Amino acid sequence: GQQVMQIPQYQHVQEGEDFTTYCNSSTTLSNIQWYKQRPGGHPVFLIQLVKSGEVKKQKRLTFQFGEAKKNSSLHITATQTTDVGTYFCAGGYYKLSFGAGTTVTVRA
Amino acid sequence: GAVVSQHPSWVICKSGTSVKIECRSLDFQATTMFWYRQFPKQSLMLMATSNEGSKATYEQGVEKDKFLINHASLTLSTLTVTSAHPEDSSFYICSARGVGRAYNEQFFGPGTRLTVL
Repeated sequence: GQQVMQIPQYQHVQEGEDFTTYCNSSTTLSNIQWYKQRPGGHPVFLIQLVKSGEVKKQKRLTFQFGEAKKNSSLHITATQTTDVGTYFCAGGYYKLSFGAGTTVTVRA
Repeated sequence: GAVVSQHPSWVICKSGTSVKIECRSLDFQATTMFWYRQFPKQSLMLMATSNEGSKATYEQGVEKDKFLINHASLTLSTLTVTSAHPEDSSFYICSARGVGRAYNEQFFGPGTRLTVL
């Protein structure tokens, strides 16, 4: 079945710095979704990318979908303490396959 | 719109008992509901897919007799963990896909944390 891999597993960031988390699929994806899960919470939908090479921005978050639609990235600039949590990518048309997630901690 | 609720939000039970978790779409009709399980510090693993009025489709490795899923209406799906054991302790999350919505659009519930003693 479809496998979605995500790296890094953990990201410890100095407040104010940028970081990127990457998502790769073994197969071409019809779309990629990104979720954020705060500690103790449930996944919250952030965004969906559908088109090859698509780039979307949400304030300090930039999401990209690769040209081959097999990889995606989430880049966060000027990290804040509110960015703490685990970021998951998920791919799939009918059923979602989630990546392992990148858990982000921020040091002030 | 597109709110999904789960009940209970957390439950503690003794080993050997059964626990029922409800997933409701509050402001839309859900043709399909998905049940996920998440162990601590791990990702979400799809357990099963349920369509209203039909039998659930279970993912490989998920025991259908242990995790009973019922999707009796377009707004309610239930997951019953039968004869629960400590290894079933996990965070169970449902999601729902709405009637007329895009195939790849799912709305997640807040999850149910199950602890089996």
